[in-house]
Amino acid sequence: AQRVTQPEKLLSVFKGAPVELKCNYSYSGSPELFWYVQYSRQRLQLLLRHISRESIKGFTADLNKGETSFHLKKPFAQEEDSAMYYCALNPWRRGSTLGRLYFGRGTQLTVWP
Amino acid sequence: DTEVTQTPKHLVMGMTNKKSLKCEQHMGHRAMYWYKQKAKKPPELMFVYSYEKLSINESVPSRFSPECPNSSLLNLHLHALQPEDSALYLCASSQKGTTRAANEKLFFGSGTQLSVL
Repeated sequence: AQRVTQPEKLLSVFKGAPVELKCNYSYSGSPELFWYVQYSRQRLQLLLRHISRESIKGFTADLNKGETSFHLKKPFAQEEDSAMYYCALNPWRRGSTLGRLYFGRGTQLTVWP
Repeated sequence: DTEVTQTPKHLVMGMTNKKSLKCEQHMGHRAMYWYKQKAKKPPELMFVYSYEKLSINESVPSRFSPECPNSSLLNLHLHALQPEDSALYLCASSQKGTTRAANEKLFFGSGTQLSVL
């Protein structure tokens, strides 16, 4: 079975401070990992996917298979980063993937001015 | 049009009512999804359609009946719901409708907030 754990329900930082949102997963196969974000009164949207190894809005996330982690990081947080962040896993199995996302419980990030 | 549109935004229904939720996308996406999100909880997958055929049913009770009349539309028919079915119902779509589609980005609608009395 697969599981996504986001240990922090709430996280607060001041503007300009580094931020790290933790995500750990358990899955025996090759997972696809994502970060989705939901800003206030907006729809859920993709922020990052591990396969892309890209930086979006200054955020990066590295898949660490040894530690089964996919933590989201930003060196200097901005007030507009305040949102709910969900880590999600798609358990890849040959012939049966599609968007079968399993979400962590989410971390509400607040960036204070 | 690069959005997934859901109607209605809010719905209140009694346990004996029959209602339907509607989802529409015009991005040419071939996979469409229904997720359920209870308050302060993450979204949970209910159904996946690929090329208008039901591919995944996550053991959802039969009082929820999905329908995909064409590649742009996805409905969720509701009948004899229970108060515990009250939740935000999210529709999503992704470009590829194949089981070999890896790392697909899901586009979510803004949801229908359902209250069952």
